[in-house]
Amino acid sequence: AQSVAQPEDQVNVAEGNPLTVKCTYSVSGNPYLFWYVQYPNRGLQFLLKYITGDNLVKGSYGFEAEFNKSQTSFHLKKPSALVSDSALYFCAVRDWNRDDKIIFGKGTRLHILP
Amino acid sequence: DTGVSQDPRHKITKRGQNVTFRCDPISEHNRLYWYRQTLGQGPEFLTYFQNEAQLEKSRLLSDRFSAERPKGSFSTLEIQRTEQGDSAMYLCASSKSLDRAYGYTFGSGTRLTVV
Repeated sequence: AQSVAQPEDQVNVAEGNPLTVKCTYSVSGNPYLFWYVQYPNRGLQFLLKYITGDNLVKGSYGFEAEFNKSQTSFHLKKPSALVSDSALYFCAVRDWNRDDKIIFGKGTRLHILP
Repeated sequence: DTGVSQDPRHKITKRGQNVTFRCDPISEHNRLYWYRQTLGQGPEFLTYFQNEAQLEKSRLLSDRFSAERPKGSFSTLEIQRTEQGDSAMYLCASSKSLDRAYGYTFGSGTRLTVV
């Protein structure tokens, strides 16, 4: 069965500094990987996904993520953080060998300090 | 229709009452998913439909929970005899079954509070 681990409950970063939100995954086959963001009392908004090809994926709002197959990781990154990036971030995985649902991590709260 | 709609946005109910939530997916999406999100946790899968057929149910979906999608369009999620542990955000999402790389479109959720 697939699973996702987000080892940090919260990440604090000063505005203007680079940020990284960590994610590792486990699937029996090959993964589709996703990052979503959630603002208070809202649903999840899609940020970016890895399907195949280039290991560095670019998404919305200047975010990018790097797929590392040997480390089974898909860390979310941004070169320069904004206060408006403060939100809850979820990593998610789907096994593309199986017609299955997306499984989410428990989330990481990103707090950008002005 | 440009997104997934959920109704109501908020529901407060007394323990023991029944509640029903509605989800309207994106019209061309044939798959519809229900997830539950409690405080400090990620969304947990409950069940999903392809057209009107319910294809999978999680062990989280106790006998008090039932979901339907009678005409393959909107879906309802009913909770009978609500308990305080049912308090959560209930999220609906939709997708096309032929596009496994698609990351779902989520609604804004229904926040349930059982008092």
